[in-house]
Amino acid sequence: DAGITQSPRHKVTETGTPVTLRCHQTENHRYMYWYRQDPGHGLRLIHYSYGVKDTDKGEVSDGYSVSRSKTEDFLLTLESATSSQTSVYFCATNVGGNQPQHFGDGTRLSIL
Amino acid sequence: DQQVKQNSPSLSVQEGRISILNCDYTNSMFDYFLWYKKYPAEGPTFLISISSIKDKNEDGRFTVFLNKSAKHLSLHIVPSQPGDSAVYFCAAGHSGTYKYIFGTGTRLKVLA
Repeated sequence: DAGITQSPRHKVTETGTPVTLRCHQTENHRYMYWYRQDPGHGLRLIHYSYGVKDTDKGEVSDGYSVSRSKTEDFLLTLESATSSQTSVYFCATNVGGNQPQHFGDGTRLSIL
Repeated sequence: DQQVKQNSPSLSVQEGRISILNCDYTNSMFDYFLWYKKYPAEGPTFLISISSIKDKNEDGRFTVFLNKSAKHLSLHIVPSQPGDSAVYFCAAGHSGTYKYIFGTGTRLKVLA
């Protein structure tokens, strides 16, 4: 949907290791978002970007950082992964304003 | 503090009957609401939206109703089909923030 590709789709790693998830879009949307989905919590916003090099925190940003050096790419980094960060991560984009967000198919991340 | 609540984790409906999914919100600043559908191993897909200046929006079998005084919205699916079986998320946002708050989701099962 909206040409959004997330990579990797699955990853298993160990506690304390750095992890970077990538979101790539081909729609030239200005806004990009990272969410995590956990049982009982729905989708929670981690960070979002409103333009190249412009990012802001969401409701669950602790332990995560992001970067956006190009319109099409939005990276999510876990500097030192913890087991509490085991989750399914979704990237989304939209053109801004009151417009629907379009989602990628997610990355399932397991931290042992 | 959960600003957007979906109090029914699951719902089962017979094929051909009406499905009603409910969503409550607490923030009176919210002025735009959306419903998403999510199949397993896929990202959420946008279904229908409504602005606070309306109390109803219809798109084919899907109708969203908004009751601002009760801070409540509902999604009606008529007639329900087995392919509608999915998790449904409601989301709310307000103009100028470009962020949405998602509910925890309701799993709908349409029985053939």
